[in-house]
Amino acid sequence: DAKTTQPTSMDCAEGRAANLPCNHSTISGNEYVYWYRQIHSQGPQYIIHGLKNNETNEMASLIITEDRKSSTLILPHATLRDTAVYYCIADTGTASKLTFGTGTRLQVTL
Amino acid sequence: DTGVSQDPRHKITKRGQNVTFRCDPISEHNRLYWYRQTLGQGPEFLTYFQNEAQLEKSRLLSDRFSAERPKGSFSTLEIQRTEQGDSAMYLCASSFIEGARNGYTFGSGTRLTVV
Repeated sequence: DAKTTQPTSMDCAEGRAANLPCNHSTISGNEYVYWYRQIHSQGPQYIIHGLKNNETNEMASLIITEDRKSSTLILPHATLRDTAVYYCIADTGTASKLTFGTGTRLQVTL
Repeated sequence: DTGVSQDPRHKITKRGQNVTFRCDPISEHNRLYWYRQTLGQGPEFLTYFQNEAQLEKSRLLSDRFSAERPKGSFSTLEIQRTEQGDSAMYLCASSFIEGARNGYTFGSGTRLTVV
């Protein structure tokens, strides 16, 4: 699996958009970009994934650059409940193990 | 079905004792995974099952660790002769083989403290 690089921490004001970047410059053509988040004392929660095209679901949007070397997870209107560690993972999606890094700790504040 | 269930949520044990954790996956999911997470780190893969077959084990899974998934349903993770370094959150996840691209579903974990 390709290595991903994320900032250690970020802050966001409640109601504003949270933009979480991820670098994956060595991603291979068959690897998807996955995002999970982990709220304190809970297991990770799947958010969204994409291969080439931008994706949107009820939780977030995923913007992948054309060269696929980086991506951004967007939470359009962050709330206090979005405070969590966000993990960006490059994976083929073939049901093998996921390799988590240390993620970005997002703190949403009033 | 309310998702992946893990039991117990917390376990405190004395060094040298054996402990066993249980995971009940989403019933239709044929793959089940165990991860371990220490403070400040992301989850680390331990092992996974497809139905009842254990297909892969991490080097982190020492001889003191054993996992089973009898009948391809629930799974147990046993740690023998626990050490303080085993203190961690043990997470279970499940998925379809075919649906892995749509993400794994994780349980809330079992937090083990070895004293």
